[in-house]
Amino acid sequence: GQQVMQIPQYQHVQEGEDFTTYCNSSTTLSNIQWYKQRPGGHPVFLIQLVKSGEVKKQKRLTFQFGEAKKNSSLHITATQTTDVGTYFCAGTGNQFYFGTGTSLTVIP
Amino acid sequence: DGGITQSPKYLFRKEGQNVTLSCEQNLNHDAMYWYRQDPGQGLRLIYYSQIVNDFQKGDIAEGYSVSREKKESFPLTVTSAQKNPTAFYLCASSIATRQGAFGYTFGSGTRLTVV
Repeated sequence: GQQVMQIPQYQHVQEGEDFTTYCNSSTTLSNIQWYKQRPGGHPVFLIQLVKSGEVKKQKRLTFQFGEAKKNSSLHITATQTTDVGTYFCAGTGNQFYFGTGTSLTVIP
Repeated sequence: DGGITQSPKYLFRKEGQNVTLSCEQNLNHDAMYWYRQDPGQGLRLIYYSQIVNDFQKGDIAEGYSVSREKKESFPLTVTSAQKNPTAFYLCASSIATRQGAFGYTFGSGTRLTVV
């Protein structure tokens, strides 16, 4: 069945470095959502993208939906220790699926 | 404040025992969901409900059961038929009945351990 794949699975960065996680689907998605889960916490909805090529920003976070609506990315500029956590994408193709997540560690 | 409340936060189950996880929301959301999360893995859908007195199986429904007698409540029972129940269970709700149409609000989760 349709799945949403995310890479990388883990990422360690020095505080102040940038970070990007990628989400890929084998089928066209009608929308893509991004969530953040802090260690020991629960996923929190960040944003939804629906248009081809759409780009949205939330402070240091930039979210992009690919032109073909099969991929998406989340980019964090100048990471901070508060950015630590697992970032999940979730997309609607034939069904709605969560990606496998990217665990971000920020080294002070 | 509106939100989703899951209880208990931690639950220990003996082999062969059924346990029920509680999920209550006061967001007036129509749709509710149960997900299972295993260490280092994503979220897998167990059951979902789009309306009171109706629910559908997700990808990993075997060994689980649910009910939706009230809009606010969607309890999950982990039965003895579930072979590997140790996991983090997350309840979610959404204002839209179509899966993924709008963002999900998650509860704080229940960590279930088989002893």
